[in-house]
Amino acid sequence: GESVGLHLPTLSVQEGDNSIINCAYSNSASDYFIWYKQESGKGPQFIIDIRSNMDKRQGQRVTVLLNKTVKHLSLQIAATQPGDSAVYFCAENPTGGGNKLTFGTGTQLKVEL
Amino acid sequence: DAGVTQSPTHLIKTRGQQVTLRCSPKSGHDTVSWYQQALGQGPQFIFQYYEEEERQRGNFPDRFSGHQFPNYSSELNVNALLLGDSALYLCASAQGPSGNTIYFGEGSWLTVV
Repeated sequence: GESVGLHLPTLSVQEGDNSIINCAYSNSASDYFIWYKQESGKGPQFIIDIRSNMDKRQGQRVTVLLNKTVKHLSLQIAATQPGDSAVYFCAENPTGGGNKLTFGTGTQLKVEL
Repeated sequence: DAGVTQSPTHLIKTRGQQVTLRCSPKSGHDTVSWYQQALGQGPQFIFQYYEEEERQRGNFPDRFSGHQFPNYSSELNVNALLLGDSALYLCASAQGPSGNTIYFGEGSWLTVV
């Protein structure tokens, strides 16, 4: 079936460096993508979203890039902080899919001091 | 502004028993979805409720059922519990049945023994 996958299960970065988390999706009908951050024992926290009519969207310290040609998403976190340590999920929502999100297995981001 | 709230936060049940989990959506939201998240995995969509009806359903057996009340709150019921039902159950809410930002609660941890 269709799925959203992540390239790297674990990413370690130094505090202050920029982080890039990648995600591949396979459902060409998806038109809405969301990045979530999940800390241990907590629910997913919304970070940023992007619709298929955009290539880039920026938030506070985060940027999401969407490449529809190769069905690829990335989340860039600037000046990574210890509080950014968590599992990051990308999720896709296909056209007509209601609020049904398909998640990948997640990338663990570890920030080293 | 209260976010998505879920209860109970933790519970332990015995195989074969039934469980009911509860969710109150974020203020202003009228659509509720439920997800199951096994340890180390991404959330899996169970179903979505809008206007008190089940609108979409994921690949879950009929043992999983739900309800949405006129105040938009929702319940997830699981009958004949199996050991494999042990997971974090997440409620998510949104404004409208599709296309808007989806926010998650902190989840209910269910352990089946």
